[in-house]
Amino acid sequence: DVKVTQSSRYLVKRTGEKVFLECVQDMDHENMFWYRQDPGLGLRLIYFSYDVKMKEKGDIPEGYSVSREKKERFSLILESASTNQTSMYLCASSLNVGGAYEQYFGPGTRLTVT
Amino acid sequence: SQKIEQNSEALNIQEGKTATLTCNYTNYSPAYLQWYRQDPGRGPVFLLLIRENEKEKRKERLKVTFDTTLKQSLFHITASQPADSATYLCALDAYSSASKIIFGSGTRLSIRP
Repeated sequence: DVKVTQSSRYLVKRTGEKVFLECVQDMDHENMFWYRQDPGLGLRLIYFSYDVKMKEKGDIPEGYSVSREKKERFSLILESASTNQTSMYLCASSLNVGGAYEQYFGPGTRLTVT
Repeated sequence: SQKIEQNSEALNIQEGKTATLTCNYTNYSPAYLQWYRQDPGRGPVFLLLIRENEKEKRKERLKVTFDTTLKQSLFHITASQPADSATYLCALDAYSSASKIIFGSGTRLSIRP
């Protein structure tokens, strides 16, 4: 059974803290994604990685960075958390990019920044 | 710019009826369209993929249509059950995105017993 796991289901952090969200996939996929999901706004792509150490900015990269040191692991970093980064964060992986390839999602991390 | 629209209003229907959800897109012609199911507090789960040259695709009680003239996909659940209650997202391939796919904001479906 294919799996994408995320390090935390719920996280509460203070403004200004550095936050790490980790994602691991066991499908040997080249491509991994970080999204945030807010009511009415749908899934918005933060960053995308197509190979180890390779990354590409998505639609809303400001305030975030990513790290991919190993193929199976993709980390999202909030350098200095702010209240407007309170959201549901979803990691996904896929065999390839584009609409022909399904994405496999993790369970999500509900982050609250106070 | 490429846009996807799903009805933001929740859809409430009686158990046993057919639920029909709509996904409209503008400003481009995607080659592929996907549907996902998302339960509260969980990540989306892939359901079906349909290609532009396929008019219809079925999987058990699910049926998806893809009308490239109307720029619309319909997602049907026949003989609906309370367990089908969830949010359903459509997604299309998109040259404007780094990941080459964009998601709609989803439609919440509630099936009442």
